[in-house]
Amino acid sequence: AQSVTQLGSHVSVSEGALVLLRCNYSSSVPPYLFWYVQYPNQGLQLLLKYTSAATLVKGINGFEAEFKKSETSFHLTKPSAHMSDAAEYFCAVRGAYSGAGSYQLTFGKGTKLSVIP
Amino acid sequence: GAVVSQHPSRVICKSGTSVKIECRSLDFQATTMFWYRQFPKQSLMLMATSNEGSKATYEQGVEKDKFLINHASLTLSTLTVTSAHPEDSSFYICSARDARETTDTQYFGPGTRLTVL
Repeated sequence: AQSVTQLGSHVSVSEGALVLLRCNYSSSVPPYLFWYVQYPNQGLQLLLKYTSAATLVKGINGFEAEFKKSETSFHLTKPSAHMSDAAEYFCAVRGAYSGAGSYQLTFGKGTKLSVIP
Repeated sequence: GAVVSQHPSRVICKSGTSVKIECRSLDFQATTMFWYRQFPKQSLMLMATSNEGSKATYEQGVEKDKFLINHASLTLSTLTVTSAHPEDSSFYICSARDARETTDTQYFGPGTRLTVL
């Protein structure tokens, strides 16, 4: 079975500081990994994904994540935080087969990012 | 591309009535759609997986007679909450998998806030 652990339910950074959101996964098969962002009262927006190509993945809004198999990690980073980055961030791993060629996503519990001016 | 819409965005209904929520993939065909429920400050809870032309697969603990799911076309899935009660009040989010992609990326709708009085 696949699972995701997000370390830190709440992270605060100063505007302009490095953002680091941690995600560790467990998977019995080569993983597909995703980071999503959710703004208040909205759905989830895909930030980036790892699907067995390059281990350093660049996403939207200046975010990137590095897949490290030896550490079973897929941490999300951004060099300089902006006020608009304040949101909830979810890490997910491809999970159980759901039929018709599709798989479920198993989500972490989320990390709320606050950006201090 | 990969836009998913939900309608309505907000609905308030009286206890005992039924509410239908629509989920549409606007610019792609979705052989599989997923329905989630999200409680305040929590992660997403998968309710059911909907494959076009098939009966939905419900997660353990989700009442299939209460949460009716229909996926009649490659761009539309509906969730009907029957005989709604206040405990059904929640944020419901759908997602869709692009049939052309092989990475199991899910694209999310903006969510529907259901309040049952």
